[in-house]
Amino acid sequence: GDSVTQMEGPVTLSEEAFLTINCTYTATGYPSLFWYVQYPGEGLQLLLKATKADDKGSNKGFEATYRKETTSFHLEKGSVQVSDSAVYFCALRTNTGNQFYFGTGTSLTVIP
Amino acid sequence: NAGVTQTPKFRILKIGQSMTLQCTQDMNHNYMYWYRQDPGMGLKLIYYSVGAGITDKGEVPNGYNVSRSTTEDFPLRLELAAPSQTSVYFCASSEGGGLEFGPGTRLTVT
Repeated sequence: GDSVTQMEGPVTLSEEAFLTINCTYTATGYPSLFWYVQYPGEGLQLLLKATKADDKGSNKGFEATYRKETTSFHLEKGSVQVSDSAVYFCALRTNTGNQFYFGTGTSLTVIP
Repeated sequence: NAGVTQTPKFRILKIGQSMTLQCTQDMNHNYMYWYRQDPGMGLKLIYYSVGAGITDKGEVPNGYNVSRSTTEDFPLRLELAAPSQTSVYFCASSEGGGLEFGPGTRLTVT
């Protein structure tokens, strides 16, 4: 079945460091891919998305490219800030559009 | 446009009690979902709906029931609360794009 596997955390980085959180997926056909962010005590918010191969989603300095050949959608940011501390979830939406599958989440802490 | 709203925000239940978690969206989305998030874990799908009158089970439906009588509302019912149902519950909706999440209901069963 469809699934998402993402890098386990927690991840701790110093401010201005480079961030990569790995995400790979298994799915039939051409799913849409998403990154969500969850700040402490809050619900999940959509961070970025990509709907077809080679699409790059970007928002707030974060980027991820839909790589069909490696079934990956890794999240990157060139220079993290303390305010980026949160839990990040990779997710896919199935071909049929009915169901979403989430990774287990990666906790990021950025220290000044 | 309030998006997805959930009530209550917090609730403590005794074992065996029942309750309904309310979820409403004002975006006219056809798809609605209920997820639970256990501490330090990802999201698990409980039930979902592709439109009014249609519901289907997700990964972890046991102990829960849903109904979808209108496009806007998708309540989740716990009939006999158990400690294993202690979790944070998120309702979400979608219309072909990503999911819009509600703020969550934190439920403790003791």
